[in-house]
Amino acid sequence: ELKVEQNPLFLSMQEGKNYTIYCNYSTTSDRLYWYRQDPGKSLESLFVLLSNGAVKQEGRLMASLDTKARLSTLHITAAVHDLSATYFCAAGGATNKLIFGTGTLLAVQP
Amino acid sequence: DGGITQSPKYLFRKEGQNVTLSCEQNLNHDAMYWYRQDPGQGLRLIYYSQIVNDFQKGDIAEGYSVSREKKESFPLTVTSAQKNPTAFYLCASSTRQGDGYTFGSGTRLTVV
Repeated sequence: ELKVEQNPLFLSMQEGKNYTIYCNYSTTSDRLYWYRQDPGKSLESLFVLLSNGAVKQEGRLMASLDTKARLSTLHITAAVHDLSATYFCAAGGATNKLIFGTGTLLAVQP
Repeated sequence: DGGITQSPKYLFRKEGQNVTLSCEQNLNHDAMYWYRQDPGQGLRLIYYSQIVNDFQKGDIAEGYSVSREKKESFPLTVTSAQKNPTAFYLCASSTRQGDGYTFGSGTRLTVV
């Protein structure tokens, strides 16, 4: 059974600092997704990682996938307040069903 | 514009009532999903459907029912058997190619 774990669950960081959110999954999966959720809102797709070694970047966010280690990371560079949100990773199962991590609540302080 | 629409945005249910949450998509996606989100617990899968007239239980299907009579529609009924239905419900759809999900805007259900 596929399980997905994220850490940390909560991250408070200062503007301008760098940090990384980690996403581990328990069984083989060749697809990993990152989503952003603002308070009271739905989920917005950030990145789709479809192969080992995949790296994608959008603005101050960069996501990578290591399928051998069953690990994906979301790196935040020079954080700004607008990045405050909850970030979810999700891994794909055999039926295209996604299993989500518990989320990381990111609070960027001025 | 293509998208996925959930309604209503807010829903109040009395004890013992069944309520139905609507989910409609015009993305021509084959698969549709229902998730429940509680504070601090992430998303948990209730039901999913890969094709019309077929659906499977997710991890927390007890107290819920669905139908998939049309490709575009995947309504979720929260029955009186669901003892703690207060939550944020998210519907999503996807292609078969593993591109990830498109989410609706969600329905917030509260028991009164």
